[in-house]
Amino acid sequence: DAGITQSPRHKVTETGTPVTLRCHQTENHRYMYWYRQDPGHGLRLIHYSYGVKDTDKGEVSDGYSVSRSKTEDFLLTLESATSSQTSVYFCAISEGPNQPQHFGDGTRLSIL
Amino acid sequence: KNEVEQSPQNLTAQEGEFITINCSYSVGISALHWLQQHPGGGIVSLFMLSSGKKKHGRLIATINIQEKHSSLHITASHPRDSAVYICAMAGGTSYGKLTFGQGTILTVHP
Repeated sequence: DAGITQSPRHKVTETGTPVTLRCHQTENHRYMYWYRQDPGHGLRLIHYSYGVKDTDKGEVSDGYSVSRSKTEDFLLTLESATSSQTSVYFCAISEGPNQPQHFGDGTRLSIL
Repeated sequence: KNEVEQSPQNLTAQEGEFITINCSYSVGISALHWLQQHPGGGIVSLFMLSSGKKKHGRLIATINIQEKHSSLHITASHPRDSAVYICAMAGGTSYGKLTFGQGTILTVHP
């Protein structure tokens, strides 16, 4: 299995608090992605990275920011969490843009 | 309208049956991915293809670029195949950004 670790695995927090999710990889893959999965919407891309300090928005990026200061870590931050951001968040990595993506185990985030 | 449409949404089969899940997309793509997600579990990449056909064990994936259609077949289905199967397209632009179908919930009864 690809070496991808998401942390935390579960988190419950209150509206208005900042939250940071971490995706750590040991595969030295250049591409990293953050997705959210919601009933009725399926998986949707939040942000992605194609190299250190190279990031861009996906289709549901409002309310989220990301950072990638080194190859192995891709951080997703909710600056002021809202209940609509309650979801399961998946990180994925890929060697290249047209290579298979390998997913982490997910983070279940509840915003009360 | 979603750019990626899967059918059926739900599929129930008896062990041993041949299963087909369909995926249609509306724009040009660079690749089509098939993923598997078990209940409460993580997501596993099954196939990535841009033309023709790929086979892995009892799983076969095909794609017809002209018709913008892909199929995932499972031969001799087994209860452990019960999962959600998701197709996703990587658009013609770079970076591998995926747009996902809604998923097909497959239940295989013994």
